[in-house]
Amino acid sequence: NAGVMQNPRHLVRRRGQEARLRCSPMKGHSHVYWYRQLPEEGLKFMVYLQKENIIDESGMPKERFSAEFPKEGPSILRIQQVVRGDSAAYFCASSQQQGPGENTIYFGEGSWLTVV
Amino acid sequence: AQKVTQAQTEISVVEKEDVTLDCVYETRDTTYYLFWYKQPPSGELVFLIRRNSFDEQNEISGRYSWNFQKSTSSFNFTITASQVVDSAVYFCALSLSGGSYIPTFGRGTSLIVHP
Repeated sequence: NAGVMQNPRHLVRRRGQEARLRCSPMKGHSHVYWYRQLPEEGLKFMVYLQKENIIDESGMPKERFSAEFPKEGPSILRIQQVVRGDSAAYFCASSQQQGPGENTIYFGEGSWLTVV
Repeated sequence: AQKVTQAQTEISVVEKEDVTLDCVYETRDTTYYLFWYKQPPSGELVFLIRRNSFDEQNEISGRYSWNFQKSTSSFNFTITASQVVDSAVYFCALSLSGGSYIPTFGRGTSLIVHP
């Protein structure tokens, strides 16, 4: 499968635990985006990363959330001390490069986090 | 700042009807990109189309067609002869040519096609 790969698809965590969501971009893509979809709401941008760099994290909550995209391996979205309000679908997307005509982003299948 | 409005929260049609999903956007930039994505009940997001601001030609792909009108800042999506498999949430998105190109999404329109 050459698409954007996310895992796990479904994750259940108790309040106070940590959640780690992984994303492997499409082959040849070096830009990764994370979006969150809350029930009955649209997609909200969280963070945009390139390898080893956070480019834009303007949509990330200031506390408990962090993201990385290391030189090797998948991008990780980490949520510490989860609360019920973190229950949502988290989508990862990737794009090939930035520039006119090149900025189509392709999404993974999403990771559904449920906090109990 | 950029904004995308999908005023229709939910649309319900009967199979074979034509349906148009509205998308209105706001931006001060002259160069930008518009997108439509489909989210079927299984949850994944499927890319449908990208259009840049300099190309106002309408596009048709099978039963799908898109009408881009800069004069009204709209990028509407029409499904002709709808089918049950078209049932999904459809998102319109806008990204600017400058900065980080991060797309801003509308809240989505849920389309339900009844047999």
